[in-house]
Amino acid sequence: AQSVAQPEDQVNVAEGNPLTVKCTYSVSGNPYLFWYVQYPNRGLQFLLKYITGDNLVKGSYGFEAEFNKSQTSFHLKKPSALVSDSALYFCAVTETGANNLFFGTGTRLTVIP
Amino acid sequence: EAQVTQNPRYLITVTGKKLTVTCSQNMNHEYMSWYRQDPGLGLRQIYYSMNVEVTDKGDVPEGYKVSRKEKRNFPLILESPSPNQTSLYFCASSLGRGPGSNQPQHFGDGTRLSIL
Repeated sequence: AQSVAQPEDQVNVAEGNPLTVKCTYSVSGNPYLFWYVQYPNRGLQFLLKYITGDNLVKGSYGFEAEFNKSQTSFHLKKPSALVSDSALYFCAVTETGANNLFFGTGTRLTVIP
Repeated sequence: EAQVTQNPRYLITVTGKKLTVTCSQNMNHEYMSWYRQDPGLGLRQIYYSMNVEVTDKGDVPEGYKVSRKEKRNFPLILESPSPNQTSLYFCASSLGRGPGSNQPQHFGDGTRLSIL
């Protein structure tokens, strides 16, 4: 069975500081991992994905994520947070050949000016 | 502009009154899916479709129906809505076979349903 955990409901960070949003996953096969962002009254927008290869994945808006197989984690990071990064972030997992995607419960990121 | 369009965006209705939420995409995507978003639960998949006339249940299909008669459209039908179906609903589409072929999904802006 596939599952995703986002242990933090809320993350606060000062503008200009680095940010990390945590995600751990569980799959029986090889994972495909995704990060999405949701702004108020909008649908989810794709940020980045991990398929295979380099453990550090770069995505949109300066975000990156680090895949760690031994810790089954896929944490989202950004070196310098912007106020405009404030949003709801979702981690999602599936595996090769699967037809559905499992989402975490979301982490609300607030960047404080 | 590439997009997934859902209608209506907001709907308040009463228990038992059939309703349909439409979803249309203009990207010629094979895979389409419906999710509901509830506080503390994230997004949960209701139904998905791999292509025309091919649909399957997701994690929470009870009380919902879908159809895929055309590639671009994937309506969600609530035959007899109940208050526990009050939620925020999202339609999404992607190329190929969807998530398992590592394709990211494109989401509509959501439909907020309130069932009284």
